[in-house]
Amino acid sequence: GIQVEQSPPDLILQEGANSTLRCNFSDSVNNLQWFHQNPWGQLINLFYIPSGTKQNGRLSATTVATERYSLLYISSSQTTDSGVYFCAVERAGNNRKLIWGLGTSLAVNP
Amino acid sequence: NAGVMQNPRHLVRRRGQEARLRCSPMKGHSHVYWYRQLPEEGLKFMVYLQKENIIDESGMPKERFSAEFPKEGPSILRIQQVVRGDSAAYFCASSPPRDRGAYNEQFFGPGTRLTVL
Repeated sequence: GIQVEQSPPDLILQEGANSTLRCNFSDSVNNLQWFHQNPWGQLINLFYIPSGTKQNGRLSATTVATERYSLLYISSSQTTDSGVYFCAVERAGNNRKLIWGLGTSLAVNP
Repeated sequence: NAGVMQNPRHLVRRRGQEARLRCSPMKGHSHVYWYRQLPEEGLKFMVYLQKENIIDESGMPKERFSAEFPKEGPSILRIQQVVRGDSAAYFCASSPPRDRGAYNEQFFGPGTRLTVL
């Protein structure tokens, strides 16, 4: 099956710093989504981005489908950005299953 | 526009009891998915349903687990004779019909945290 690898596994930032999270996947995809799981366990949709670039406030994401990777940029990080960031993909073939990476655990210190 | 609803949010069961987890999709969404998250791990796909149909249950354990999405009412994930290894967070997601733009984007509920004593 398709493999999803996220890096780095852990990240500690000072408030105000920028960061880049990476997601590599091993096969063609129909769907790629980025999520933030907050410290209370809730999953928040960040981006639906099977290809291209999107921006939402301090967050932006780029997926280069032909090279099988996606990047999530966090600028001017805040303590509320802490939590785990997951990348999940749906392999091409329209089977609708999302396959998840293990996440990047982010801690933003004041 | 209410999001995906799940209840209960927390469920405690003793070994051997049954657990029933409920999920109401977003309004207008016709596809429901169940995922399981063990501590410190990503989510794992369990089952994909449309109204009255199971489309893909390849991630569901063969025994004790079942899922349904009836014509009326929420989707139910049922775990019979629970064991300690069933303790996990169970998330439900929904997506819109295929004739809508990002038809395969999945939106998640808050999860049900099952603890088996």
